[in-house]
Amino acid sequence: DVKVTQSSRYLVKRTGEKVFLECVQDMDHENMFWYRQDPGLGLRLIYFSYDVKMKEKGDIPEGYSVSREKKERFSLILESASTNQTSMYLCASRLSRFLSNQPQHFGDGTRLSIL
Amino acid sequence: GQQVMQIPQYQHVQEGEDFTTYCNSSTTLSNIQWYKQRPGGHPVFLIQLVKSGEVKKQKRLTFQFGEAKKNSSLHITATQTTDVGTYFCAGHPPKGPFNNDMRFGAGTRLTVKP
Repeated sequence: DVKVTQSSRYLVKRTGEKVFLECVQDMDHENMFWYRQDPGLGLRLIYFSYDVKMKEKGDIPEGYSVSREKKERFSLILESASTNQTSMYLCASRLSRFLSNQPQHFGDGTRLSIL
Repeated sequence: GQQVMQIPQYQHVQEGEDFTTYCNSSTTLSNIQWYKQRPGGHPVFLIQLVKSGEVKKQKRLTFQFGEAKKNSSLHITATQTTDVGTYFCAGHPPKGPFNNDMRFGAGTRLTVKP
């Protein structure tokens, strides 16, 4: 079974802080994704990565950056946290975009509150 | 860019009633996936549809992919309390720009009254 682990289940930070959300997968998946989930808005794609050192912007990248230095780890960075970034953050991984019909496997999420 | 619209946003049913959620894309999709998120949990993959007009069943769940590959539906027959959760569709665009990947609908939250 694929295991996607997010470093924190709950996190409280202050406005202006630099925040790091970590995600690790244990199945040698090539692709990794960061979403935020807000009521009524579903899962919105922030950034994704097809391989190490690669990153692509999703639909709402503003205020975020990512890092993928190792294949198993994909970090989401809030450069200067703001209250509108309070949300549930979900990380997901997928085997490869070149293998059609692959599902995404999600972590348990990090509920981030910015005060 | 690609958009996936999903309706309704919420659905409350009596146990034993049927339930349907609909997903529509502004562009043709190469495939569509369905996920279920239980309350307090994370999305879990249910099924994928690839072919035009495809219909797949999982026990009481029936999934359909439209002929034009722009819409899909999930129908649950005789809902049970275990069906409670949010159901998401996710549409995958045809192979094209390198950085164009799957997008999720907003989800339909199903509650079931015993």
